[in-house]
Amino acid sequence: AQSVTQLDSHVSVSEGTPVLLRCNYSSSYSPSLFWYVQHPNKGLQLLLKYTSAATLVKGINGFEAEFKKSETSFHLTKPSAHMSDAAEYFCVVIMSPFSSGSARQLTFGSGTQLTVLP
Amino acid sequence: GAGVSQSPSNKVTEKGKDVELRCDPISGHTALYWYRQSLGQGLEFLIYFQGNSAPDKSGLPSDRFSAERTGGSVSTLTIQRTQQEDSAVYLCASSPLTSGSYNEQFFGPGTRLTVL
Repeated sequence: AQSVTQLDSHVSVSEGTPVLLRCNYSSSYSPSLFWYVQHPNKGLQLLLKYTSAATLVKGINGFEAEFKKSETSFHLTKPSAHMSDAAEYFCVVIMSPFSSGSARQLTFGSGTQLTVLP
Repeated sequence: GAGVSQSPSNKVTEKGKDVELRCDPISGHTALYWYRQSLGQGLEFLIYFQGNSAPDKSGLPSDRFSAERTGGSVSTLTIQRTQQEDSAVYLCASSPLTSGSYNEQFFGPGTRLTVL
């Protein structure tokens, strides 16, 4: 079975300080992992993805995540938070292995609400 | 270019009524997914369409839920005899899926369904 756990439902940081959003996964296969962001009243947007290439993945808006197999983690970080980063962030794992015909539906974590204080 | 669109953006209905939610995927995307986002929870997979193959309905929560995709493009999610627990945001995503690798899923803005 595949699952993903976001350890914090809410994270609050001051503008200009680092952001850390934690994610742990469980997978029977070599996982593909993603971070999506959802701003209020907007659709989900892909931030970055890990698909077994480099373990440090850089995404949009200065975010990056590091895949650590030994820790089964895929934490999202950003060196300096901006007010526009305030949103809900979802850690996501692919549900099935890469095989023809599989649905490849995404399994979402429960989300982390990021608040950025001025 | 145009993204995934969904209609209506908001739907309020009475318990027991049927509702239809529509999704227009990105042109040329062969894969289409429906997800449900309930308050305080992550997204829950509902159903998946890929080309002309039989849909994967493994995520549908009950037989009150059904979906179809006409002509490999537009999809409609139908909920019959709605219940209050059906209240959620229903999200549609499409992907230029090809076998053997992951392709990004592009999400629509969702339909917020409220069942009174």
